[in-house]
Amino acid sequence: GAVVSQHPSRVICKSGTSVKIECRSLDFQATTMFWYRQFPKQSLMLMATSNEGSKATYEQGVEKDKFLINHASLTLSTLTVTSAHPEDSSFYICSASSTYEQYFGPGTRLTVT
Amino acid sequence: AQTVTQSQPEMSVQEAETVTLSCTYDTSESDYYLFWYKQPPSRQMILVIRQEAYKQQNATENRFSVNFQKAAKSFSLKISDSQLGDAAMYFCAYRSERSGGTSYGKLTFGQGTILTVHP
Repeated sequence: GAVVSQHPSRVICKSGTSVKIECRSLDFQATTMFWYRQFPKQSLMLMATSNEGSKATYEQGVEKDKFLINHASLTLSTLTVTSAHPEDSSFYICSASSTYEQYFGPGTRLTVT
Repeated sequence: AQTVTQSQPEMSVQEAETVTLSCTYDTSESDYYLFWYKQPPSRQMILVIRQEAYKQQNATENRFSVNFQKAAKSFSLKISDSQLGDAAMYFCAYRSERSGGTSYGKLTFGQGTILTVHP
């Protein structure tokens, strides 16, 4: 199957700083990518849908000014957590969509101290 | 809006035995896909099996098979000859195929079922 990478796999940042997470589809072009947040032993919660060349569509309750998403090319989407706080600590997963399925990245564990 | 329900937070099975994970969903659409994903301790999401709603035949992938009951909106996963490597969290997911809709391509996940395999 297709490969999606995420970088970094783990990041620790101080409260009030911003952190960027990259999601890349390595062997196919993804017009649509998705960003999820997952707490331990819970399901994936969709945060936003990222479409190449246009603004992201955020799910209800997700602060678009806090979670900035950019999908500048068909192989790269980025999620920037701005002014991070300890409650933003979580596991963030991206996926890239093809016709028949979504391919998931390995996830990024964010810890805000 | 579509919803997906997994009513079994945890399940356990003996190695080499068979286990069935339940999933029900609610939708008013006729065209959609259903998926089972596995998330092992590494937390990498792995596709286990996919079912197109228009297909009456149940999907199978080696030891994994589904029982798709469209009228009942039920989509259970059967794991045969369970192996230690099957231990993971399993998610049922729904994807609309309604072209142009705002929900096109989005996955709606169930709550997940943690599967433990005993040697």
